[in-house]
Amino acid sequence: QQQVKQSPQSLIVQKGGIPIINCAYENTAFDYFPWYQQFPGKGPALLIAIRPDVSEKKEGRFTISFNKSAKQFSLHIMDSQPGDSATYFCAAIGGTSYGKLTFGQGTILTVHP
Amino acid sequence: NAGVTQTPKFQVLKTGQSMTLQCAQDMNHEYMSWYRQDPGMGLRLIHYSVGAGITDQGEVPNGYNVSRSTTEDFPLRLLSAAPSQTSVYFCASSYSLRVGGYTFGSGTRLTVV
Repeated sequence: QQQVKQSPQSLIVQKGGIPIINCAYENTAFDYFPWYQQFPGKGPALLIAIRPDVSEKKEGRFTISFNKSAKQFSLHIMDSQPGDSATYFCAAIGGTSYGKLTFGQGTILTVHP
Repeated sequence: NAGVTQTPKFQVLKTGQSMTLQCAQDMNHEYMSWYRQDPGMGLRLIHYSVGAGITDQGEVPNGYNVSRSTTEDFPLRLLSAAPSQTSVYFCASSYSLRVGGYTFGSGTRLTVV
């Protein structure tokens, strides 16, 4: 079963828009939630991450919002640019399998000029 | 540092053939993992390791074997290739999944005919 569910599968915005990607999880033992960015032909790279005791984290134009009671978290990209066009993955780690990083299904983001 | 090196970059196999995908890292990372990426399915964990001599199964381990005899190398073996194993395979390594996250290789595109 998918332990981290991500939506939407794809997203198209205009330059300057604020795309929002949502993730939900079921395992309450998860204690660290990173987001990865992947450009075509490349491996994913860590973008930003949050722990469940924090409700929001910002790094540049990227913001994670976290709702622990709802077991949901989301990525917001402020003032999106065509260079942000990529696939974004949420992920989670925690519990007894401390070496195991579980990814969501991914969101293909396209930012039009 | 070369980072995470995967070989080969492309491979075509016939059904029933076996092969090994190589992965090497020169960063002295303890954590290593193999993922497969398929459209709409995200990154699914095949096997992972938390140190030399220690491996464990991920979400989709059937048809794959791994070993971790050294810190640097984490090969993935396909025992008897099937068309369902057509995918892009990524190897990743990390010093700490909660600090810095995974460094991914550039991937191996495998086609089984």
